[in-house]
Amino acid sequence: NAGVTQTPKFQVLKTGQSMTLQCAQDMNHEYMSWYRQDPGMGLRLIHYSVGAGITDQGEVPNGYNVSRSTTEDFPLRLLSAAPSQTSVYFCASSYTPTNEKLFFGSGTQLSVL
Amino acid sequence: KNQVEQSPQSLIILEGKNCTLQCNYTVSPFSNLRWYKQDTGRGPVSLTIMTFSENTKSNGRYTATLDADTKQSSLHITASQLSDSASYICVVSPDSNYQLIWGAGTKLIIKP
Repeated sequence: NAGVTQTPKFQVLKTGQSMTLQCAQDMNHEYMSWYRQDPGMGLRLIHYSVGAGITDQGEVPNGYNVSRSTTEDFPLRLLSAAPSQTSVYFCASSYTPTNEKLFFGSGTQLSVL
Repeated sequence: KNQVEQSPQSLIILEGKNCTLQCNYTVSPFSNLRWYKQDTGRGPVSLTIMTFSENTKSNGRYTATLDADTKQSSLHITASQLSDSASYICVVSPDSNYQLIWGAGTKLIIKP
């Protein structure tokens, strides 16, 4: 099993550009989520989904969009990149959101210039 | 406000020694507490999950304890190895929603 696969590994954007971070899991998990990790801070939840067709906002959703058309895929879109979005982004999945351990992808290091 | 605080911020120990990392939380209501290990440049990996009724849980050389009355947890690492060098993150799940509360982590460095 591949687990949770994130692409790309690294990305550099200019302010105002848009892009999509890809996330796919092959464990048939219903719950998927996106986090950002900044130095000296805990992971912060951006958006999450409890199943295909269902998405909801997390703690820091502004500037990001998500969709969940299939169980496997949960892409994260940056609409108009800003320097404040420079961060490491992680996708995670689990069977349930509250009582099961999360499985994480390897992360995307994003720099916005 | 729901918060998770970890100490120390960083720790350096010699290979073979034991160490204990601390986690204090103010999350309420409480569902479970988790410890994750994060190697540099990788995503976090789950070590343990403990519910309200569990006081101790082990995963190999890692032993987590939970005192729900004082809202404290610790992660004890026995006979440390170079591969234990990583950040260790304490995470608390409130009972009311899907949003986990993440600590900032303790960066552990094992020196030969």
